[in-house]
Amino acid sequence: DQQVKQNSPSLSVQEGRISILNCDYTNSMFDYFLWYKKYPAEGPTFLISISSIKDKNEDGRFTVFLNKSAKHLSLHIVPSQPGDSAVYFCAASDGGSGANSKLTFGKGITLSVRP
Amino acid sequence: ETGVTQSPTHLIKTRGQQVTLRCSSQSGHNTVSWYQQALGQGPQFIFQYYREEENGRGNFPPRFSGLQFPNYSSELNVNALELDDSALYLCASSLVQGSSPLHFGNGTRLTVT
Repeated sequence: DQQVKQNSPSLSVQEGRISILNCDYTNSMFDYFLWYKKYPAEGPTFLISISSIKDKNEDGRFTVFLNKSAKHLSLHIVPSQPGDSAVYFCAASDGGSGANSKLTFGKGITLSVRP
Repeated sequence: ETGVTQSPTHLIKTRGQQVTLRCSSQSGHNTVSWYQQALGQGPQFIFQYYREEENGRGNFPPRFSGLQFPNYSSELNVNALELDDSALYLCASSLVQGSSPLHFGNGTRLTVT
């Protein structure tokens, strides 16, 4: 049973436009959410996170929005750049000591940014 | 600052054999976690070690075991390998405090034939 769902396997956007990557979760105990980016032959790299006490977190071109009632979060990348082309994983944790290590990941979305 | 390093990068084993994967944590990190990423899936939590003791485990059988050493390096051992164990095994380190994110290594690609 997938507790973190990334239902769209891929997304293609034009350079300079906005990329919106979606993620849904089913476990109400999740209270911390993260996005990781992964290039081929590399490990996932932390991108941005958000606590359940917030509904928005911004870091440069990256913004994560959290809708707790809908159990939905999204990652916005503005403007998108060709170097953003990668697999993006949504992940969640349910708190506790070191809980940010015990992450539940979605299957990932492959983002392609066209020049 | 040295990142998380894993060895070997690739490995081929036969069903029924045993394998040991190794990981060196990022400098200053005291917690290490292991994840399995099957093809087309997201990483799945195997277990976490803190102060050389297992501190949480995912839905993996006992033939998956680990060790953390005083220098915070770690090993993942898998006994009685099965074909479905073929995957990318990721090691990640972090600090056990606040919202410290995981820092991943590049993984070990294990193929079981």
